Amino acid sequence: QKEVEQDPGPLSVPEGAIVSLNCTYSNSAFQYFMWYRQYSRKGPELLMYTYSSGNKEDGRFTAQVDKSSKYISLFIRDSQPSDSATYLCASQSGNTPLVFGKGTRLSVIA
Amino acid sequence: NAGVMQNPRHLVRRRGQEARLRCSPMKGHSHVYWYRQLPEEGLKFMVYLQKENIIDESGMPKERFSAEFPKEGPSILRIQQVVRGDSAAYFCASSRDRDNYGYTFGSGTRLTVV
Repeated sequence: QKEVEQDPGPLSVPEGAIVSLNCTYSNSAFQYFMWYRQYSRKGPELLMYTYSSGNKEDGRFTAQVDKSSKYISLFIRDSQPSDSATYLCASQSGNTPLVFGKGTRLSVIA
Repeated sequence: NAGVMQNPRHLVRRRGQEARLRCSPMKGHSHVYWYRQLPEEGLKFMVYLQKENIIDESGMPKERFSAEFPKEGPSILRIQQVVRGDSAAYFCASSRDRDNYGYTFGSGTRLTVV
């Protein structure tokens, strides 16, 4: 079982839709959770960071972590064509490198 | 304020040649991580280095691959006697401390072995 599982998609939504991206993880020691966005042929860029369980909001983006079910979510409100990218979830415990999911490819259609 | 700089952006090597990938971390960052990304795959950790030290190389293949981060100059990921299966995007990331606030990634080096 991979430590971080993520549905690769692709996911296609119309402009303005609410997007829900999800990951599950297996390592109970994970405490730090991130979402990265990667445009084609580019490096990943940090989008959201969350420690332990709870919600974090930044503009149109909301990250949720439920440690009891080992579930990580990213919601994008009012999605835009510029949001079209691959979204990678990542987790780590205090002293290990980041472990990434495979990424979900999102297309927002104008 | 330059970010993480990787070069070259694209590298073509014939089977059996050596590939050298370079990474200059962000200013003020002394921790460097190398990841490999195969097509349709996520990022796989390879090695974590601090200046002059390899901290964690648990993701590095035992043969042909090596990494260094000298006191002066960029971090180098070296692949000897490349094979077609080494074709991938190699990303370097850096952080200020061994913190847990996420890494800053470079744009990657795309290695093609022909």
